Amino acid sequence: DQQVKQNSPSLSVQEGRISILNCDYTNSMFDYFLWYKKYPAEGPTFLISISSIKDKNEDGRFTVFLNKSAKHLSLHIVPSQPGDSAVYFCAAVASNFGNEKLTFGTGTRLTIIP
Amino acid sequence: EPEVTQTPSHQVTQMGQEVILRCVPISNHLYFYWYRQILGQKVEFLVSFYNNEISEKSEIFDDQFSVERPDGSNFTLKIRSTKLEDSAMYFCASSDSGGGETQYFGPGTRLLVL
Repeated sequence: DQQVKQNSPSLSVQEGRISILNCDYTNSMFDYFLWYKKYPAEGPTFLISISSIKDKNEDGRFTVFLNKSAKHLSLHIVPSQPGDSAVYFCAAVASNFGNEKLTFGTGTRLTIIP
Repeated sequence: EPEVTQTPSHQVTQMGQEVILRCVPISNHLYFYWYRQILGQKVEFLVSFYNNEISEKSEIFDDQFSVERPDGSNFTLKIRSTKLEDSAMYFCASSDSGGGETQYFGPGTRLLVL
């Protein structure tokens, strides 16, 4: 049941360049989306979120874009830094339907090359 | 900065034994969650808890699992009779409201069932 998909298991980006991580979803009831970053042996760390009433949210170097018609969101990191190397998870929730659970994608391992 | 804490960080147990995983959520949060991540797989929702009762649970959360908030600070996950397939990282999370509110994760407990 792949309701949230991250089709790229890994991505390598040169330091200073833009990293773009993609996420697709199939459940049209999802109305809130989050990106988490995870280092090995640690819990997911919240990065940025977006409500379905918006198409963009920006926080410092991180910007999330949402295309509802395509059921697609992306996370842009610019400029990329070595400390950004981690696994990035996209997550979604159907909050307006009384659900609280986060449905996660499988993650994309981002490696920033110095 | 307030954070979710979990103990123990690692637990090794024999199949059939009971384990209790402990979490201290962020102090003013009202919603509590358990997730797990089997090695190499995605993070999966187990259960959400609010107002001293389960508000949502997944099909993974069968009769072998239970949750409790025994006092004003701790939130526990008990697995009554562990199975080999329960081996995973277990993450506790909390949020100050339900639905689309951001969930903050603890560092996890790595459970190994032998």
